[in-house]
Amino acid sequence: AQTVTQSQPEMSVQEAETVTLSCTYDTSESDYYLFWYKQPPSRQMILVIRQEAYKQQNATENRFSVNFQKAAKSFSLKISDSQLGDAAMYFCAYRINQAGTALIFGKGTTLSVSS
Amino acid sequence: SAVISQKPSRDICQRGTSLTIQCQVDSQVTMMFWYRQQPGQSLTLIATANQGSEATYESGFVIDKFPISRPNLTFSTLTVSNMSPEDSSIYLCSAETGWNTIYFGEGSWLTVV
Repeated sequence: AQTVTQSQPEMSVQEAETVTLSCTYDTSESDYYLFWYKQPPSRQMILVIRQEAYKQQNATENRFSVNFQKAAKSFSLKISDSQLGDAAMYFCAYRINQAGTALIFGKGTTLSVSS
Repeated sequence: SAVISQKPSRDICQRGTSLTIQCQVDSQVTMMFWYRQQPGQSLTLIATANQGSEATYESGFVIDKFPISRPNLTFSTLTVSNMSPEDSSIYLCSAETGWNTIYFGEGSWLTVV
């Protein structure tokens, strides 16, 4: 069975600084996707970034980038130039690359940002 | 990005009653997913709903407690039946709107008293 582990229940960062959120996963599949979702207090789940397992290049979206280490089954999220609006719960998620399959989520990391 | 609307956003329900949550997608989608998120916890998949067939439930969730309808390619409902305080959670629907592009509704926050 596939599992996703986020070992940091809480993280904090100062505005304009950089923070990295950790995620590891376990799977025997070779074709899959990994995701980071953000959930602010509004509860809306927002897709932050997505990585295809077959792509060696790490995905980036503006201030958000990932460090994808397939052999180590590691998928960390780096947030650069942190902003107050980045404060949220962040979930790492996994999905087999097959239509109709659901996401499997980690337990989440609560990120607080101070000014 | 797709727009997924959920109703109600929030409700307080009496023990023993049932509530139906609606989920509307602004485009046609094959699969819709229903998740539960208990306070301070992660998301747990309840069931997967494919249009025209019965929903597929995850272990620990049964159709009698969480009946799901999927009458067309843009709409689904989840009913939480015979509610108890343990059902107090956020319920979220999601849909695959493109290849490996999965969006979520705003969530429905239910409190059972």
